[in-house]
Amino acid sequence: EDQVTQSPEALRLQEGESSSLNCSYTVSGLRGLFWYRQDPGKGPEFLFTLYSAGEEKEKERLKATLTKKESFLHITAPKPEDSATYLCAVQDPDSGYALNFGKGTSLLVTP
Amino acid sequence: DAGVTQSPTHLIKTRGQQVTLRCSPKSGHDTVSWYQQALGQGPQFIFQYYEEEERQRGNFPDRFSGHQFPNYSSELNVNALLLGDSALYLCASSLGQPGLILGGTQYFGPGTRLTVL
Repeated sequence: EDQVTQSPEALRLQEGESSSLNCSYTVSGLRGLFWYRQDPGKGPEFLFTLYSAGEEKEKERLKATLTKKESFLHITAPKPEDSATYLCAVQDPDSGYALNFGKGTSLLVTP
Repeated sequence: DAGVTQSPTHLIKTRGQQVTLRCSPKSGHDTVSWYQQALGQGPQFIFQYYEEEERQRGNFPDRFSGHQFPNYSSELNVNALLLGDSALYLCASSLGQPGLILGGTQYFGPGTRLTVL
């Protein structure tokens, strides 16, 4: 059973059209939930870490939120340069410090 | 401040060969983790090194082995390459916090693209 499920798999937005990406997780005790951005052929770039339900973090047009079962990455007024794959990962006590990743959401923002 | 670096960038091997990939962690970091990312998938955890020892291992066969040096850099070795080993291999570094509840944030390098023919 997948521990991390991201939806949608792909999302196409017009520039300025706000939306949210979802990351649902099934772990017994969350150590941390991480959001990364990955451009094609590159390594993931760290965006946010969230540790407890109710926590929120913001960076430019991105805002990450966390509940007990899922996290959302809200993108406000996106620009074409926000196009990338967004990966969500969790750390849980059973996996120590390993990151368990979802498959990612591929975001395309058109002008 | 140098980030995580990996070498080589690309590598082409044939089935049955052996390969060594290298990683230098971000300045100040002492823990290195390796991940395999197949096309269209999220990264899969291979193993983690801290204080020159393998501390944790994912679901990968013994053909995958590693090493960490006193300067915290690391190598990933893969023996008897299979076609299915073709992937982007990612190295991530973090500050080791053994025994603490919260895991440190892992910062990734650019990856090594391995193609097995």
